[in-house]
Amino acid sequence: QVQLEQSGAEVKKPGSSVKVSCKASGGNFNNNAISWVRQAPGQAPGQGLEWLGGFIPLLGTANYEQRFQGRVSITADESTSTVYMELSSLRSEDTALYYCARSLYRVAVTGPFDHWGRGTLVTVSS
Amino acid sequence: EIVLTQSPGTLSLSPGERATLSCRATQSITANSLAWYQQRAGQAPRLLIYGASNRATGIPDRFSGSGSGTDFTLTISRLEPEDFAVYYCQQYGGSPPGTFGQGTKVDIK
Repeated sequence: QVQLEQSGAEVKKPGSSVKVSCKASGGNFNNNAISWVRQAPGQAPGQGLEWLGGFIPLLGTANYEQRFQGRVSITADESTSTVYMELSSLRSEDTALYYCARSLYRVAVTGPFDHWGRGTLVTVSS
Repeated sequence: EIVLTQSPGTLSLSPGERATLSCRATQSITANSLAWYQQRAGQAPRLLIYGASNRATGIPDRFSGSGSGTDFTLTISRLEPEDFAVYYCQQYGGSPPGTFGQGTKVDIK
């Protein structure tokens, strides 16, 4: 059974960087793209979901949402089936729950996402 | 740029009733690349529908998706207690990539 295990919560200062990991198990790592989606804390009906970017293990490449380009870096270690997301120049607006999510398809980093991690809370505060 | 607008914001219904949720795009979505997710409180989203009308693995048949172009609908034929949650649509074929709607909350009347 496919599982995505994410690293623990982080508290960071504005201007610093954070690196979150997502270890995949229960499937063939090369068969599916893995992306990062974040969700700001907030109230119902829904605090928006926002796609940051993703990694295609089959190709060894990453794609990013344009507005995060230059601030986000997504890498992977095939030997451990782990994908990493590093976000730099953190600001308070980056406080959110960061999910890794597996695409249904090998090279479609934008989804649809059939498996999700439990989320990693990143808090940016001085 | 494709923007997805979901309506209504909140839908108040009773168990057993039918729920109809709408997702409207500002531009036509390529190849019906539209998905629906359910998010229960404190949980990650769960894929329900992809390709506008294909149920994901393990999803009960009371969930169905329809639509094409710019107008899409998620229907829950008879609400079960576990269906009260927030529902998001997502387009994964256009620009900007991977955008989600703002969500519709289905709560108990």
